[in-house]
Amino acid sequence: QQQVKQSPQSLIVQKGGIPIINCAYENTAFDYFPWYQQFPGKGPALLIAIRPDVSEKKEGRFTISFNKSAKQFSLHIMDSQPGDSATYFCAASMRVNSGYALNFGKGTSLLVTP
Amino acid sequence: NAGVTQTPKFRILKIGQSMTLQCTQDMNHNYMYWYRQDPGMGLKLIYYSVGAGITDKGEVPNGYNVSRSTTEDFPLRLELAAPSQTSVYFCASSYPETGIQPQHFGDGTRLSIL
Repeated sequence: QQQVKQSPQSLIVQKGGIPIINCAYENTAFDYFPWYQQFPGKGPALLIAIRPDVSEKKEGRFTISFNKSAKQFSLHIMDSQPGDSATYFCAASMRVNSGYALNFGKGTSLLVTP
Repeated sequence: NAGVTQTPKFRILKIGQSMTLQCTQDMNHNYMYWYRQDPGMGLKLIYYSVGAGITDKGEVPNGYNVSRSTTEDFPLRLELAAPSQTSVYFCASSYPETGIQPQHFGDGTRLSIL
């Protein structure tokens, strides 16, 4: 059962465009929502994260928008560059047993064309 | 700092064989995790550990075992390898305090079971 639903599966934009990746969740126990970026042959790397008491967070060209009532959050990449071509995963974290668990979306493959 | 180091990077096993995937981190993180990543499916948590001597099951633990004798090392053991265990395995670690700490991932072990 996928606890975090991510769309679209793939995305192609031109350089300078603003790709938007959307995620939705049901479990209100989630209390931390990170986005990870993964390049081929590498592990995921934290890009940006948000807590549910904040509606928007911006770090450089990356912005998370968070809608707590709709249980949705999204990643916007401003002025996208070919170097942003990667797979992006949204995730949601909550307390489980002795620790914390991250539930990942299925990922979005982004291609930024020159 | 090397961060999270996984060995081997690639391995081919025959059905029924066993092997241990190694993971070590030099960041003095108490929390460590094992995930598997299947194409188009995101990352699924196999096992995690909140400190030496403490391990707990994640979402997909069947067919795997772990141990945590030191803070640095968190090996994942496959007994009786099956084709369904063909996947890319990622180890991660984080500083514990709360669930909002980022997880640092290794570059993965690509495992094929034939």
